[in-house]
Amino acid sequence: DGGITQSPKYLFRKEGQNVTLSCEQNLNHDAMYWYRQDPGQGLRLIYYSQIVNDFQKGDIAEGYSVSREKKESFPLTVTSAQKNPTAFYLCASSMGTLSYEQYFGPGTRLTVT
Amino acid sequence: AQSVAQPEDQVNVAEGNPLTVKCTYSVSGNPYLFWYVQYPNRGLQFLLKYITGDNLVKGSYGFEAEFNKSQTSFHLKKPSALVSDSALYFCAVRDAYSGAGSYQLTFGKGTKLSVIP
Repeated sequence: DGGITQSPKYLFRKEGQNVTLSCEQNLNHDAMYWYRQDPGQGLRLIYYSQIVNDFQKGDIAEGYSVSREKKESFPLTVTSAQKNPTAFYLCASSMGTLSYEQYFGPGTRLTVT
Repeated sequence: AQSVAQPEDQVNVAEGNPLTVKCTYSVSGNPYLFWYVQYPNRGLQFLLKYITGDNLVKGSYGFEAEFNKSQTSFHLKKPSALVSDSALYFCAVRDAYSGAGSYQLTFGKGTKLSVIP
């Protein structure tokens, strides 16, 4: 899991509530990413950020929001607009573009009831 | 558009036997290819990557992968499987020419490897 921390490991929320997932890295990586993992569907990209104060939508950004105020931090907010928020959320970072591999945090399992 | 296929949801192999986890890809230009492993309720761990050069890439924990451009494949292999290799394996690809600022990796759906003692 390298130098990427995600908290909390498990999170429970009631439907209709916004919730923020934390992701911090001490690898001095420029780029950070949020993925959602559902059983049998692999990983799907929610948002990514190449530099501070800039981020781009991934394939499934609807119902999510992010911020990148510091290089080390890339929090993800799951809003009440996200229809199926229950999932395993993974944060990753990479040194930069192109050929650099991504390093992943341990993940946060969100359950919304 | 780029895509990855892992045709087997599950692979079973006896301990000590060689293992292969299959991956095929589709990109417009040249591929950058990656393999990751995930243990239950954990994040993904990087195993190896192909960027350019030798078609046979060696990675962590004795794993290797062979890039085959004509068959658009990047199969993961290990000569002798261990019970501790049992996990979920993901192949990922990005197009080398996807443009400046494009960081997106596309992941396969994963293959569950079970090594039987």
